[in-house]
Amino acid sequence: GNSVTQMEGPVTLSEEAFLTINCTYTATGYPSLFWYVQYPGEGLQLLLKATKADDKGSNKGFEATYRKETTSFHLEKGSVQVSDSAVYFCALSDRRAGGGNKLTFGTGTQLKVEL
Amino acid sequence: EPEVTQTPSHQVTQMGQEVILRCVPISNHLYFYWYRQILGQKVEFLVSFYNNEISEKSEIFDDQFSVERPDGSNFTLKIRSTKLEDSAMYFCASSDKGALGNTIYFGEGSWLTVV
Repeated sequence: GNSVTQMEGPVTLSEEAFLTINCTYTATGYPSLFWYVQYPGEGLQLLLKATKADDKGSNKGFEATYRKETTSFHLEKGSVQVSDSAVYFCALSDRRAGGGNKLTFGTGTQLKVEL
Repeated sequence: EPEVTQTPSHQVTQMGQEVILRCVPISNHLYFYWYRQILGQKVEFLVSFYNNEISEKSEIFDDQFSVERPDGSNFTLKIRSTKLEDSAMYFCASSDKGALGNTIYFGEGSWLTVV
């Protein structure tokens, strides 16, 4: 079956530090890959996605590249801000015969950014 | 920006009671989902719904659970006889297409506490 493995948190960084959150996946098919973010007290929001190998998703200074050879989709940001403090979820979806687009999530990585 | 809305944001119920969680998906979306997140664990898929029927459900979604789209705007999750282990955050989600890689939009969640 499908699975997503993320680095465990919490990750604590100083403002303007470089961020990497590792994500690797196992899938039977050729999945699409996503990063969702959950800010305190809010729901899950799509941060970025990539649908094929070597695609780079990017948004709000965050980037992730779909690496099929290493089955990875690591999230990076060059300079984090306090406002980036949140829980980040890596997820994948593959085609389901029944329709819809089922997501398989990782455990989430909490990021705390301090001044 | 259109969003998925959920009510209630938090509900406390006694074990054995019936609970209905309500959701208003984004208006032009055709695919609807429920996910849940037990505290400290992964976000898990429960069910997907399309064209007025369940398109896929997980092993978690047993006979105690049911979903309904009673009118053109609401999408509900009913738990007939709640157990302590049903305590979780329940996320409603929707997407306009079922194609692989299509974005799924989540609500802010309904936190259910069973006592």
